[in-house]
Amino acid sequence: GAGVSQSPRYKVAKRGQDVALRCDPISGHVSLFWYQQALGQGPEFLTYFQNEAQLDKSGLPSDRFFAERPEGSVSTLKIQRTQQEDSAVYLCASSSRDRAEETQYFGPGTRLLVL
Amino acid sequence: AQSVTQLGSHVSVSEGALVLLRCNYSSSVPPYLFWYVQYPNQGLQLLLKYTSAATLVKGINGFEAEFKKSETSFHLTKPSAHMSDAAEYFCAVRKYGNKLVFGAGTILRVKS
Repeated sequence: GAGVSQSPRYKVAKRGQDVALRCDPISGHVSLFWYQQALGQGPEFLTYFQNEAQLDKSGLPSDRFFAERPEGSVSTLKIQRTQQEDSAVYLCASSSRDRAEETQYFGPGTRLLVL
Repeated sequence: AQSVTQLGSHVSVSEGALVLLRCNYSSSVPPYLFWYVQYPNQGLQLLLKYTSAATLVKGINGFEAEFKKSETSFHLTKPSAHMSDAAEYFCAVRKYGNKLVFGAGTILRVKS
């Protein structure tokens, strides 16, 4: 079946530009997560949705980062006024139920480069 | 607080040799632990997970890991390395609220 998809796969932005990254989770999955992976590092948690409710946004690095999942399926991560330190791979993951032992299935990521 | 330490940012083995990737965790409660693999320009794929059932967990592609509470470890092993195992491997612990906390990763190189 279809896995988690993300678009665009690559994005080059000029410093100060706004960007929007899209995540299509596996159909029917309740939970959706965003992670940021800097070069040479492990992924770091950004935010988490259960259906349309954003239950945890403690990992968002600044108020320039905003995520939404208005209908409980597709999610968008928006970064306003991008900075060079925002350059990273942004990973989306989904899981079928909101339980600790559930597997998170990851998308291929969006590689963002801010010049 | 939960955290994960992966010992060795790079591991090199010969094809056919034992693979051992180390992971130690800290957790104030019984943990849920995961190993993921990441190939270049791809997302993370689950290899195996520990969810407080059997302490020896078998995963895909011949990998397995043993949960040792006394050592707070969850090392990943494979008896015989294959060239296709070359990738980056991440250990992760599930934190309150279901988010994953990842280690820094170990790049596995397989020599022919």
